[in-house]
Amino acid sequence: GAVVSQHPSWVICKSGTSVKIECRSLDFQATTMFWYRQFPKQSLMLMATSNEGSKATYEQGVEKDKFLINHASLTLSTLTVTSAHPEDSSFYICSAYRDPRGYEQYFGPGTRLTVT
Amino acid sequence: SQQGEEDPQALSIQEGENATMNCSYKTSINNLQWYRQNSGRGLVHLILIRSNEREKHSGRLRVTLDTSKKSSSLLITASRAADTASYFCATDSQGGSEKLVFGKGTKLTVNP
Repeated sequence: GAVVSQHPSWVICKSGTSVKIECRSLDFQATTMFWYRQFPKQSLMLMATSNEGSKATYEQGVEKDKFLINHASLTLSTLTVTSAHPEDSSFYICSAYRDPRGYEQYFGPGTRLTVT
Repeated sequence: SQQGEEDPQALSIQEGENATMNCSYKTSINNLQWYRQNSGRGLVHLILIRSNEREKHSGRLRVTLDTSKKSSSLLITASRAADTASYFCATDSQGGSEKLVFGKGTKLTVNP
């Protein structure tokens, strides 16, 4: 149990376009999900906390108008990278706590975004 | 800001040897966790140690926590080529925050 999926696993898009990444908890409900980005050979940097039914909480320095997060149900959170630029190219990973919340976060397999 | 700092950044050993990775953090914590990441993949939870625990074992993994030094170590015994991955520590902070802060990670290579 406790599987988190992401779709797509990789995507290539052109500068200026928008890309949506989905994060789903497949066998549990998740009130809270997290979005991270990871540059090559670096650690995970938390971008935002996604809360079901309310606005996401963004970390300092993360543009909320650029990285739109929607957590419309207890099993789905989406991250939309708007007007993508090459510097947005990165590995995006989501995670979730199972409800009721335990200590372990369950991570998705990640989405590789390349902006050309 | 990142809290955990892993040491070493990279470690290369032979199969059968033990691998030790260290993590330091800056603020008081509730728990410290270790995760593993295979190249280009998501993270897999390995083990959690609470702030009131000093040592924990899980199979070939041994984790220690020294809250006075704000440090933790992960020992992998009898390493295998399949243990090749990056290992990250992650901490949550006291005060009820749900967020985890990840260290920079140690890239472990186990040579067959």
